[in-house]
Amino acid sequence: QITLKESGPTLVKPTQTLTLTCTFSGFSLSNDGVGVGWIRQPPGKALEWLALVYWNGDKRYTPSLRNRLILSKDTSKDQVVLTMTNMDPVDTATYYCAHRRPGFNSGSYYFDYWGQGTLVTVSS
Amino acid sequence: DIVMTQSPDSLAVSLGETATINCKSSQSLLYSSNNKYYLAWYQQKPGQPPKLLIYWASTRESGVPDRFSGSGSGTDFTLTISSLQAEDVAIYYCQQYYSSPPCSFGQGTKLEIK
Repeated sequence: QITLKESGPTLVKPTQTLTLTCTFSGFSLSNDGVGVGWIRQPPGKALEWLALVYWNGDKRYTPSLRNRLILSKDTSKDQVVLTMTNMDPVDTATYYCAHRRPGFNSGSYYFDYWGQGTLVTVSS
Repeated sequence: DIVMTQSPDSLAVSLGETATINCKSSQSLLYSSNNKYYLAWYQQKPGQPPKLLIYWASTRESGVPDRFSGSGSGTDFTLTISSLQAEDVAIYYCQQYYSSPPCSFGQGTKLEIK
C-alpha cells in the first residue's frame, strides 16, 4: 500500500525559505520509473505542478519557479525534500507530494497516489 | 506550455442524471509512437487530495466506478459521469502529461447536485 505524507512549517514569513518533507512508504524511489512530485493549490484555486524527482536522481521543475526550487531525495529514509526560497504571500497554498506512476516514457507524469497535503501560510 | 481549459466552470446536475465536463488542450495530446492521449482526470472532494479517476484519456483507474468514463481525441476531451450520485459532488480537474515540464492542470469544474 502506497502512502505519502507531507510535513513542514505551517507558517513562514515573507522572504524566508520553506522546507517541506515528503515521507513515503509502499514503494522505493530507487526502482526504475518511479518518481515523486510536488503540486500546490492556493486556497480555492486550481492545482499547480511544481517539481518532480525521478528514481535516477533526475529532477524537473516548473519553469516559472525554477530559480526558487530545490529538490532532493534520501532513498534510505524514503523521503523527498522540497525547498522553496524567498517565500511570498502568494505562495500560500496546500502543498501535496504525489507518486508518479511508472511504466511509460519517463518524460511524462501523472499521479496515482497523493499525500493529504500541508497548508503553508506566508505572512508576517 | 500547454494550456488546459475546462468547461463549464461549474454545473449542477440532478441525482441519477448525467454530468459532462469538457477539457480542451492548446495542442494535441496524442503521442504518435504509442497512439495514446496523455490526459488524466482527477476528482477532488472538499478537504481531500485529488484522486486519480482516468488516465490515457479513457482508462479507468482501478476501483473507480464504471459510471465514470473518459473520451476524446486530439485536443478535446470529456469526462462523463452517468447516474450521478451524491458522493460525486466534487471539483474535477484534467491534467495533460504530454509535454512537461510543466505538466499542466485545467482550472477545475465544480460539480453540484441540482
